[in-house]
Amino acid sequence: DSGVTQTPKHLITATGQRVTLRCSPRSGDLSVYWYQQSLDQGLQFLIQYYNGEERAKGNILERFSAQQFPDLHSELNLSSLELGDSALYFCASSATSGETYEQYFGPGTRLTVT
Amino acid sequence: GENVEQHPSTLSVQEGDSAVIKCTYSDSASNYFPWYKQELGKRPQLIIDIRSNVGEKKDQRIAVTLNKTAKHFSLHITETQPEDSAVYFCAANAGNKLTFGGGTRVLVKP
Repeated sequence: DSGVTQTPKHLITATGQRVTLRCSPRSGDLSVYWYQQSLDQGLQFLIQYYNGEERAKGNILERFSAQQFPDLHSELNLSSLELGDSALYFCASSATSGETYEQYFGPGTRLTVT
Repeated sequence: GENVEQHPSTLSVQEGDSAVIKCTYSDSASNYFPWYKQELGKRPQLIIDIRSNVGEKKDQRIAVTLNKTAKHFSLHITETQPEDSAVYFCAANAGNKLTFGGGTRVLVKP
């Protein structure tokens, strides 16, 4: 157990809908990262937050947005869902926003868009 | 931005043999190189990492080597066991994000 929690574990929804994925980092970690992993694909970095502020952006679609709250949990919002958004969504946390600190992954949320 | 290439994409070894996975990266500013193991449907787990100020690091049956001049790093697993079967990802961290390689599916045959 990495100490990073994600809810829900599974989510099934229809095209055009909006969903919110939630992540709680390890105790004491200030950074949260979001990744997308499609079937048999690698890990694509989406976005990073550090202590409530956006710190880095990857290949995140405009239909997706995220935020980190004062208690450091983070939410990833996915809207106008398409079939291609079906994937595993992981969050990870690390102690700082520094470049060399370990990232620990949560168990992931499996999103299925039908 | 950073680009990480990983080879091979699949690797089948006999139990007890060694497995080697190689990665190359493009950004010379990268200074942190973790390796993750991911079992089917589960989260990636950090198994070992290396920083740019060292050339080699070992932890029991796994070791990682780094060649900063050539911009490549490798994962070595010795005395492979069936529980080593998984997908392994390398990554390089430049700036505030990790860029992952495409993954290597390792199958250890009993």
